[in-house]
Amino acid sequence: KNQVEQSPQSLIILEGKNCTLQCNYTVSPFSNLRWYKQDTGRGPVSLTIMTFSENTKSNGRYTATLDADTKQSSLHITASQLSDSASYICVVGILTGGGNKLTFGTGTQLKVEL
Amino acid sequence: DAGITQSPRHKVTETGTPVTLRCHQTENHRYMYWYRQDPGHGLRLIHYSYGVKDTDKGEVSDGYSVSRSKTEDFLLTLESATSSQTSVYFCAISEAGQLMNTEAFFGQGTRLTVV
Repeated sequence: KNQVEQSPQSLIILEGKNCTLQCNYTVSPFSNLRWYKQDTGRGPVSLTIMTFSENTKSNGRYTATLDADTKQSSLHITASQLSDSASYICVVGILTGGGNKLTFGTGTQLKVEL
Repeated sequence: DAGITQSPRHKVTETGTPVTLRCHQTENHRYMYWYRQDPGHGLRLIHYSYGVKDTDKGEVSDGYSVSRSKTEDFLLTLESATSSQTSVYFCAISEAGQLMNTEAFFGQGTRLTVV
């Protein structure tokens, strides 16, 4: 069964600190891996998209890594800000005959406090 | 939100009544999608469209129908709403589908409560 599991479920950190969110997947055949940020009451917004051949991608203070051999990804947030408080969702694309099918994780809820 | 408007943003309806949610885009993207988001579940695909009048089912399509008569509009209809369809519904668009390493843009969501 194709699954995407994220850890931790929730996390509280102090402003200015770094944090790392984890994503493990059991998806085959793999096409791509995405990280989205979802603010409360809003739709998800894409942070990064990585294909099989990419093992790291950055978007400002967000850096995603991908290890396709171990089927793990991480999202590292540097120098956190209050505005980083959100749910972070890992999404894996499965290559199918009709293109990609996306499998969504349930997200890590991050809260950044003063 | 990349030119995507969902309406209504909130709706409360009674069991057994029909409900239609609308997604309108100004990006002229070919592909449009309806997802639902529930606690403890990742977003799940209900239906998607790959062009005007071209639609297909997703993984949780039972009890839902869709229509796309214009590039910019994608409608989701619950023929006879049930309490299990209480959820937050998101529309998404993309230039290529589903979703060939291209960006997917999501609307702000519609919170539907069926009582």
